Amino acid sequence: GQNIDQPTEMTATEGAIVQINCTYQTSGFNGLFWYQQHAGEAPTFLSYNVLDGLEEKGRFSSFLSRSKGYSYLLLKELQMKDSASYLCAVSDGSARQLTFGSGTQLTVLP
Amino acid sequence: GAGVSQSPSNKVTEKGKDVELRCDPISGHTALYWYRQSLGQGLEFLIYFQGNSAPDKSGLPSDRFSAERTGGSVSTLTIQRTQQEDSAVYLCASTGGGDEQYFGPGTRLTVT
Repeated sequence: GQNIDQPTEMTATEGAIVQINCTYQTSGFNGLFWYQQHAGEAPTFLSYNVLDGLEEKGRFSSFLSRSKGYSYLLLKELQMKDSASYLCAVSDGSARQLTFGSGTQLTVLP
Repeated sequence: GAGVSQSPSNKVTEKGKDVELRCDPISGHTALYWYRQSLGQGLEFLIYFQGNSAPDKSGLPSDRFSAERTGGSVSTLTIQRTQQEDSAVYLCASTGGGDEQYFGPGTRLTVT
């Protein structure tokens, strides 16, 4: 089966750095995605990792270790607008379905 | 061009009624997905269309749920004899061959 775990909630301060972890156990693997979802809105794509290592994109970076079934999303220089739910999702190898975790609700405090 | 669009944005229906939700994917995108998101939860995969291939219906929760995609473009998700537990946001996404899924704004379904 598919199992994706991430913390339910996290709180951080404006200007700080926060790391959101995600562990997964899936029958197939064709990449790991991070999406951002503001309340009442559709998820928007942040990052995609298919090989081990760190992918950096501006203030956001994402890391993958396939052997450990582990990823993290790193957000630097936090801004108030970063308060949102962050969804970890794994694509299985067959039909490119995404299995989503339940999301991590990040609250950025002033 | 335009992104993924969905209609209606909100739907309130009485228990036992049938509903149809519509998704217009990004033009040229060959893959289309339906997901369901209950309050405070992650996304639950429902069904996947890829080109002219038979859809992957493995995520449909019951036989009350069905979906079709006409002409490889617009898709309709139908829920028959709605139940209160069907209340959720139904999200549609499409991809054009890459790995990133582009999501529509969703349809918020409330079954009273």
